Amino acid sequence: DTAVSQTPKYLVTQMGNDKSIKCEQNLGHDTMYWYKQDSKKFLKIMFSYNNKELIINETVPNRFSPKSPDKAHLNLHINSLELGDSAVYFCASSQIGEISNYGYTFGSGTRLTVV
Amino acid sequence: AQSVTQLGSHVSVSEGALVLLRCNYSSSVPPYLFWYVQYPNQGLQLLLKYTTGATLVKGINGFEAEFKKSETSFHLTKPSAHMSDAAEYFCAVSRPNYGQNFVFGPGTRLSVLP
Repeated sequence: DTAVSQTPKYLVTQMGNDKSIKCEQNLGHDTMYWYKQDSKKFLKIMFSYNNKELIINETVPNRFSPKSPDKAHLNLHINSLELGDSAVYFCASSQIGEISNYGYTFGSGTRLTVV
Repeated sequence: AQSVTQLGSHVSVSEGALVLLRCNYSSSVPPYLFWYVQYPNQGLQLLLKYTTGATLVKGINGFEAEFKKSETSFHLTKPSAHMSDAAEYFCAVSRPNYGQNFVFGPGTRLSVLP
């Protein structure tokens, strides 16, 4: 069983479209994250949810909206996609208080290409 | 605020040679430190971590790292590189009890030459 699963793995779409990326974790963790990895491999946190509550909201265009229906799911919706949104988006999860044991567990990523 | 620097965005070694990937951090409190590896087209996998206790930590695939507080460093080493070690390596720092403050370094791409 995949611990943190993201769908889709690849997403190619046109500018201006709206798209969603889904993430699910079966580890029982209470915190989930979205990271953006740019073409230079730099990882930047976008959002973090703890027990369905937003706890980190970095400087991200408001075209990006996370939604956490429950603590096992964290979806990312992107409106009016732009060329600069092309990147790999990683979902991750952790258990606050157990970072020392396990760190973060990452999904395999969603490669978004905006054309 | 915490930050991580990794000296050298790209490191090349010959197969069988020593691997040394550098990581320096800044943190206002004793940090937790991690190394992650990212193989091509894959997610990040935890290699090893330092939280408390022994400053030399061993991880998977023969890697180890040593926490040196005086140098604010957490360099990653492996005595003998294997072709399968070619990947992107990320150092990360976390503030204890604030797991959401997980900051990654910019990454170092390791190439292993035959």
